[in-house]
Amino acid sequence: GAGVSQTPSNKVTEKGKYVELRCDPISGHTALYWYRQSLGQGPEFLIYFQGTGAADDSGLPNDRFFAVRPEGSVSTLKIQRTERGDSAVYLCASSITSGRDSGTQYFGPGTRLLVL
Amino acid sequence: GDSVTQMEGPVTLSEEAFLTINCTYTATGYPSLFWYVQYPGEGLQLLLKATKADDKGSNKGFEATYRKETTSFHLEKGSVQVSDSAVYFCALRETSGSRLTFGEGTQLTVNP
Repeated sequence: GAGVSQTPSNKVTEKGKYVELRCDPISGHTALYWYRQSLGQGPEFLIYFQGTGAADDSGLPNDRFFAVRPEGSVSTLKIQRTERGDSAVYLCASSITSGRDSGTQYFGPGTRLLVL
Repeated sequence: GDSVTQMEGPVTLSEEAFLTINCTYTATGYPSLFWYVQYPGEGLQLLLKATKADDKGSNKGFEATYRKETTSFHLEKGSVQVSDSAVYFCALRETSGSRLTFGEGTQLTVNP
């Protein structure tokens, strides 16, 4: 079946602008995660949704970052007043929460964000 | 907090060589452990996992055993191929939470 999809695949913006990154999880996956991966590093956790609610947003670096999942499926990561340090690959993952494969996270291809 | 430490890379091997990538972890509970692989130009893919002590995860000729006594989850493959060239990430998932904590990744290059 279809995997996790993310759009856009690449985004170039200017410092101070607002951006939105979209994630479409695997159908039926109730849990959704956002991570950020800087060049040469492992992914770092940002936020986790269970259904429509954010179960853990402790990884968001500051209040310029916000994410929503209004219908429990598609999620949008929103970054206000972008800074050059926000440049990274933003990864989305999803998982089921019951059964043998519970908690195993499947990742999308990522959105590469470049802030000029 | 929880953390994962991987052996420093990059690692360069000849085809058919034996591979070991070391991974150790620090966790307060009994985490699940994972290896993910990132091929050039592609997203993260789950390679294998183990959910409790002494479990062995295996896939595509790769193996890793969850060693609680040494807090390790080393990745091994008996005979690597050029197509195994990729970045490998060790990760843990806390028992009480759901985030993954990743190591920094190990770049593997296999030459023909």
